[in-house]
Amino acid sequence: ELKVEQNPLFLSMQEGKNYTIYCNYSTTSDRLYWYRQDPGKSLESLFVLLSNGAVKQEGRLMASLDTKARLSTLHITAAVHDLSATYFCAVEKATSGSRLTFGEGTQLTVNP
Amino acid sequence: EPEVTQTPSHQVTQMGQEVILRCVPISNHLYFYWYRQILGQKVEFLVSFYNNEISEKSEIFDDQFSVERPDGSNFTLKIRSTKLEDSAMYFCASRPTDSGEQYFGPGTRLTVT
Repeated sequence: ELKVEQNPLFLSMQEGKNYTIYCNYSTTSDRLYWYRQDPGKSLESLFVLLSNGAVKQEGRLMASLDTKARLSTLHITAAVHDLSATYFCAVEKATSGSRLTFGEGTQLTVNP
Repeated sequence: EPEVTQTPSHQVTQMGQEVILRCVPISNHLYFYWYRQILGQKVEFLVSFYNNEISEKSEIFDDQFSVERPDGSNFTLKIRSTKLEDSAMYFCASRPTDSGEQYFGPGTRLTVT
């Protein structure tokens, strides 16, 4: 059974600081996704990582994938209050109609 | 930009009642999914659907649940006899191919009293 673990689960940081969220998964996967969720809202796709060594950046967020270590990271640079949200990683195995298996989520609060 | 839509946004029902949650996937998408998220918890897969049949389901998706694509646009999730523990946000998702990205709808919040 595929397991996906995120840490930390809760992160409170100051504006302007950097931090990294980690996503570990238990078996080989084909794709890894990062989503953002605001309270009571749906899932907003941030990144799709397809291969070992993949790195994608959008604004203050950068995601990377190491398939050998079964690890993805979401790095936050110079955090701003607007980044406060819950961030989920999700892993997919490429079978027909394959499901996403989500991590528990990291609740990020950026304080002024 | 095309998007997945879901109705209703919030449904309140009594325990034991049947509910139908509705989704309209993006029009050229072929793969459809239901996920749920109990308040404060992670998102859990329920079922995937392709070519008018279930392709995969989780252990959560028991005999009380069913899915249907009654016409060319709607994709529904039915819960026959709701329980308190069915209270959650239910997300529909669709994708164009089995290798494309999944696009999530806004969700339906189901409250069972």
